[in-house]
Amino acid sequence: GAVVSQHPSWVICKSGTSVKIECRSLDFQATTMFWYRQFPKQSLMLMATSNEGSKATYEQGVEKDKFLINHASLTLSTLTVTSAHPEDSSFYICSARVGDFAGANVLTFGAGSRLTVL
Amino acid sequence: GDSVTQMEGPVTLSEEAFLTINCTYTATGYPSLFWYVQYPGEGLQLLLKATKADDKGSNKGFEATYRKETTSFHLEKGSVQVSDSAVYFCALSHTGGFKTIFGAGTRLFVKA
Repeated sequence: GAVVSQHPSWVICKSGTSVKIECRSLDFQATTMFWYRQFPKQSLMLMATSNEGSKATYEQGVEKDKFLINHASLTLSTLTVTSAHPEDSSFYICSARVGDFAGANVLTFGAGSRLTVL
Repeated sequence: GDSVTQMEGPVTLSEEAFLTINCTYTATGYPSLFWYVQYPGEGLQLLLKATKADDKGSNKGFEATYRKETTSFHLEKGSVQVSDSAVYFCALSHTGGFKTIFGAGTRLFVKA
């Protein structure tokens, strides 16, 4: 089945530094990937839609300059948290559509990356 | 806008108990409905789906029926196991659209 690999699974960084998270589709091509943020005991918040070869589409309230998304190939999307601060600490999850099955948009998810900013 | 509401957790059950996790939605048109499950330390994975009214999705003993009249998609399992302990997310998505809207998630604990 379709697999999405996300790396790193956890990262600790100092305030003010930048962190890059990678999301790879291992056995399929993903023209569109999605980045979510998950707060403790809360649901997934869609941050942005990553489109191969074009600019990402950000959700309202998400800072484009803070969360840089690059989707340079059909199998790789990256999220860079720039100048990270403690409030950016969270669980970040990527996903990709694996095609329409009888009209349904099924998503396959990476295992997530837990970011802790000190 | 579209939204998904599911029952708050955590839900704690003994092994072999009956499980129901309620989910209702608000949406225009006729979205597809999903249940995703997140096991500890893992990413979300699709549990089951239904694409039109009265469809029943099923997988691993779990079932959910797309009820248009009550805008609901409740998750049920007749006999839960300890290994079912996880967070369950109800979600919806429109055909041809890209966004998937998730509920807040319901954590299930199953005791041996």
